[in-house]
Amino acid sequence: NAGVTQTPKFRILKIGQSMTLQCAQDMNHNYMYWYRQDPGMGLKLIYYSVGAGITDKGEVPNGYNVSRSTTEDFPLRLELAAPSQTSVYFCASSYQGMNTGELFFGEGSRLTVL
Amino acid sequence: GEDVEQSLFLSVREGDSSVINCTYTDSSSTYLYWYKQEPGAGLQLLTYIFSNMDMKQDQRLTVLLNKKDKHLSLRIADTQTGDSAIYFCAEANSGYALNFGKGTSLLVTP
Repeated sequence: NAGVTQTPKFRILKIGQSMTLQCAQDMNHNYMYWYRQDPGMGLKLIYYSVGAGITDKGEVPNGYNVSRSTTEDFPLRLELAAPSQTSVYFCASSYQGMNTGELFFGEGSRLTVL
Repeated sequence: GEDVEQSLFLSVREGDSSVINCTYTDSSSTYLYWYKQEPGAGLQLLTYIFSNMDMKQDQRLTVLLNKKDKHLSLRIADTQTGDSAIYFCAEANSGYALNFGKGTSLLVTP
């Protein structure tokens, strides 16, 4: 049972570089999410998607982009990386959305921008 | 969004009960959740409570909900060293995503 798979697990970027964090789920979930976790700050929602072809901004979308061309995949793109984007990024998915459903999380991608 | 508030740190001795408290913001939240995060891992759902309930018990876990005060608590009976983790309280706000607290780090000492 793979669940939610994130790659890479660790990455170091230089300021101004770009990269894509990959997220895939094999549970046929409609809802997918990207959160970032900073020490002592909890999780902040970056973007979410309620189905293929549909994405929407969360609380902290600036500096990021997403796409959802398939039900399984929800990549997060960082353009022009900045030190403020140093964080642990979690992808999550849910079958029914938040009022009735459980979020399944990946193991996280730790990004450092120097 | 507005903040879900939790104390940041709790230390208990093995065998004692732990109580983690949370104050949430959205009185219309239908479900309230407790997630557990072990070191180096993602979050896992521990338990949840529907808003029309006052209490939910699940083995060693007891969740209490006070809707009037928007207060949620998680009690872990007979706390073990394996319970050491970060515990997140969360509410469903817009219906599409969870609003998480900052997490309470629980340290269980022998």
